[in-house]
Amino acid sequence: KAGVTQTPRYLIKTRGQQVTLSCSPISGHRSVSWYQQTPGQGLQFLFEYFSETQRNKGNFPGRFSGRQFSNSRSEMNVSTLELGDSALYLCASSLMPTGDLTSGNTIYFGEGSWLTVV
Amino acid sequence: GIQVEQSPPDLILQEGANSTLRCNFSDSVNNLQWFHQNPWGQLINLFYIPSGTKQNGRLSATTVATERYSLLYISSSQTTDSGVYFCAVEQGFGNEKLTFGTGTRLTIIP
Repeated sequence: KAGVTQTPRYLIKTRGQQVTLSCSPISGHRSVSWYQQTPGQGLQFLFEYFSETQRNKGNFPGRFSGRQFSNSRSEMNVSTLELGDSALYLCASSLMPTGDLTSGNTIYFGEGSWLTVV
Repeated sequence: GIQVEQSPPDLILQEGANSTLRCNFSDSVNNLQWFHQNPWGQLINLFYIPSGTKQNGRLSATTVATERYSLLYISSSQTTDSGVYFCAVEQGFGNEKLTFGTGTRLTIIP
């Protein structure tokens, strides 16, 4: 089956602009999580959606937002971009939400979207 | 919040060598997973291992939940094992998100 697909893979934006990243989860998966990875802060949780509802949100400013559609595809948006937003943004999907203790609830990551803000 | 620390931060080994990577966490967890991040940035799930021992080919993992640590063993290393290894934990009880460790960068030299 197809894996987690993220688009675009690479993009360059200017400070003050906004960006939308897209994530298509594995077919049948209803949970989508987003993470930001930077050299300084490592991998940090942004938010998780399950069945179109945001279940959890990390410690990021309100400029970071997301949503999930009825087909489980998810988008995240960053407005008023800052230089510090330059990062690898990773999307992960799973059958059930994080916290579900089913042993088969493996999390699968996409290849990420590399965002550079100049 | 929970702290997740991995050691060593960097490891350089000759092809064929064995290695042990460690993950310490500061509080009890419901879920622990090991990931390998390849040079292109993708995270690959290696093990879902909140407790006990699992093996998959040359890789095995052990989590001792009561002592708050997990170990990842790689035997007969190959150059394709190079990359960064992360452990990630989830606490549950309203804090259901993965917290990633600091990572171990493994470099296998031919």
